[in-house]
Amino acid sequence: AQSVAQPEDQVNVAEGNPLTVKCTYSVSGNPYLFWYVQYPNRGLQFLLKYITGDNLVKGSYGFEAEFNKSQTSFHLKKPSALVSDSALYFCAVRPITGANNLFFGTGTRLTVIP
Amino acid sequence: KAGVTQTPRYLIKTRGQQVTLSCSPISGHRSVSWYQQTPGQGLQFLFEYFSETQRNKGNFPGRFSGRQFSNSRSEMNVSTLELGDSALYLCASSNPATLAKNIQYFGAGTRLSVL
Repeated sequence: AQSVAQPEDQVNVAEGNPLTVKCTYSVSGNPYLFWYVQYPNRGLQFLLKYITGDNLVKGSYGFEAEFNKSQTSFHLKKPSALVSDSALYFCAVRPITGANNLFFGTGTRLTVIP
Repeated sequence: KAGVTQTPRYLIKTRGQQVTLSCSPISGHRSVSWYQQTPGQGLQFLFEYFSETQRNKGNFPGRFSGRQFSNSRSEMNVSTLELGDSALYLCASSNPATLAKNIQYFGAGTRLSVL
């Protein structure tokens, strides 16, 4: 079975400060991991993915994520937060069995305070 | 390229009715997946269609069904609506030529309210 946990429902950070949104996963074998962002009344926008290779993955809008196999984590990071980064962030895992569906975490609401 | 288009954006139905939601994938994408998003259950996978065949299915009752047409457009149907079916229904398309590189791109969703 595969699952994703986002331990924080809400993260607040001051504009210009670094931000981290946490994600841990549980999956058999090597995972395919994703981060998506959702703005109000919008669908999900793809930010970045980890398939294999370098543990530090760079994505859209200055976001990056670090894959840590020993800690089964895939935390989303950004060096300097913008007010426009305020949104709902989802971590997701896809099984490597060949199925094309994503298993999502419960989401973390990020608020960047001006 | 145009993104994933879902219609309608909003729907209001009453219990017992049925509803059909439509999804047009990104041009060239042959896989379409549907997800339900609710405050209580979060994002849950409904089913995936590829080349007009349901390839994968989540844990939802048979009232939820779908289909895909030869142009890859997909429809989702919910019969005998219940209050708990109120949700944002998201469609995602992808081009799984290589599963590892496959990214799902989402539409803006259809918000269904069941009264």
